[in-house]
Amino acid sequence: EVQLVESGGAVVQPGGSLRLSCAASGFTFEEYGMHWVRQTPGRGLEWVSLISWNGGTIYYADSVKGRFAISRDNNKNSLYLEMNSLRNEDTALYYCVKEQVGGVPYFGYWGQGTLVTVSS
Amino acid sequence: DIQMTQSPSSLSASVGDRVTITCRASQSISIYLNWYQQKPGKAPKVLIYAASTLQSGVPSRFSGSGSGTDFTLTISSLQPEDFATYYCQQSYRALRTFGQGTRVEIK
Repeated sequence: EVQLVESGGAVVQPGGSLRLSCAASGFTFEEYGMHWVRQTPGRGLEWVSLISWNGGTIYYADSVKGRFAISRDNNKNSLYLEMNSLRNEDTALYYCVKEQVGGVPYFGYWGQGTLVTVSS
Repeated sequence: DIQMTQSPSSLSASVGDRVTITCRASQSISIYLNWYQQKPGKAPKVLIYAASTLQSGVPSRFSGSGSGTDFTLTISSLQPEDFATYYCQQSYRALRTFGQGTRVEIK
């Protein structure tokens, strides 16, 4: 059974930093691209970042580019999101998502999310 | 970035109704369009991928159609467990984008 378990969410002040982690199990982690997707009540679902299976290809949404860094450790079956210069608008539930590829890529499995609150 | 626009943003319907949700992309995305269902307090789950392919285990009352810029999600006979929020999402570009969601409520 595929499991994705996020951790690291917290309350942080504007300008602060946070590192999110996602522990993956139930599949061969090193074979799959992984994403972070966030959700806020006001803005719905927002894709944040993608990392390829080997970490060689990385993309970011414009809203986080230059502030967030995605990484992975295939030896530890783990995905990370380093978040710097946090803003109020980064407040969201952050999901770790496994990509399914077999033609058209789609988000096949989601974690339960970890909550990040940016507030003074 | 490719913008995805869903309509309506919300709708009220009764059990047994036929429901249609549309999604428009700001440029052609071929069939690189996926649909997700999200219930309160839960993560989204995929219903349909590649515009019209039903995910394993999803009831056949759900269907998807379209290609290029215009897409449709149809629920042929709305069931109580279908009251939820539905999102479209494009995977044509590496920078993925979602529609703003359509909330399906009980009339």
